[in-house]
Amino acid sequence: QVQLVQSGAEVKKPGASVKVSCKASGYAFTDYDVNWVRQAAGQGLEWMGWMNPNTGEKGYAQKFQGRVTLTSDTSINTAYMELSSLRFEDTGMYYCVIIWFGIWGQGTLVTVSS
Amino acid sequence: DVVMTQSPLSLPVTLGQPASISCRSSQSLVHRDGNTYLNWFQLRPGQSPRRLIYEISNRDSGVPDRFSGSGSGTDFTLKISRVEAEDVGVYYCMQGTHWPPYTFGQGTKLEIK
Repeated sequence: QVQLVQSGAEVKKPGASVKVSCKASGYAFTDYDVNWVRQAAGQGLEWMGWMNPNTGEKGYAQKFQGRVTLTSDTSINTAYMELSSLRFEDTGMYYCVIIWFGIWGQGTLVTVSS
Repeated sequence: DVVMTQSPLSLPVTLGQPASISCRSSQSLVHRDGNTYLNWFQLRPGQSPRRLIYEISNRDSGVPDRFSGSGSGTDFTLKISRVEAEDVGVYYCMQGTHWPPYTFGQGTKLEIK
């Protein structure tokens, strides 16, 4: 079945970067866009950006422009989300999502703490 | 960007009673292909989000038939015919018609009275 497995929890200091991975299985990885959604602590769901693993085409929510980078490695069916210049308010759960299937990864908790 | 507005934001419900959540969009969600890309997600404590409904009214595999979606244009509703304890969580609507960006409602927290 379609499955997305994300990397483990991270603790980072303010100003640092974090890179979260999302390994896909059960479908043709290059056929569907990978989206990233976060739930900051105490907040709702927020779309961050998307990437087409086949073409490399991507786009970012305005809020995250300049701080987020989406990449993928089609040889291992894995997508990545890197968020830089971390702030305390970036603490939260980060999810990769195949919106077409409605399938979400299990989430990666990113904690920004000094 | 399309703004999604949910109500109520808090929904206390007695077990076995029905529940209803409204979601309104700032513009019509009818795509030029004729489909309406309005989804409903459930976020239970300690779990990742689960899609319940896609394209207004289509239940995902494994979703109990007590969940139903309806609506058109800019007004949509998620209904639970008889609330069970496992339904506690936060419910979000999300539009996928006018992307980017995909946009979510604020979330409705369902709890048992």
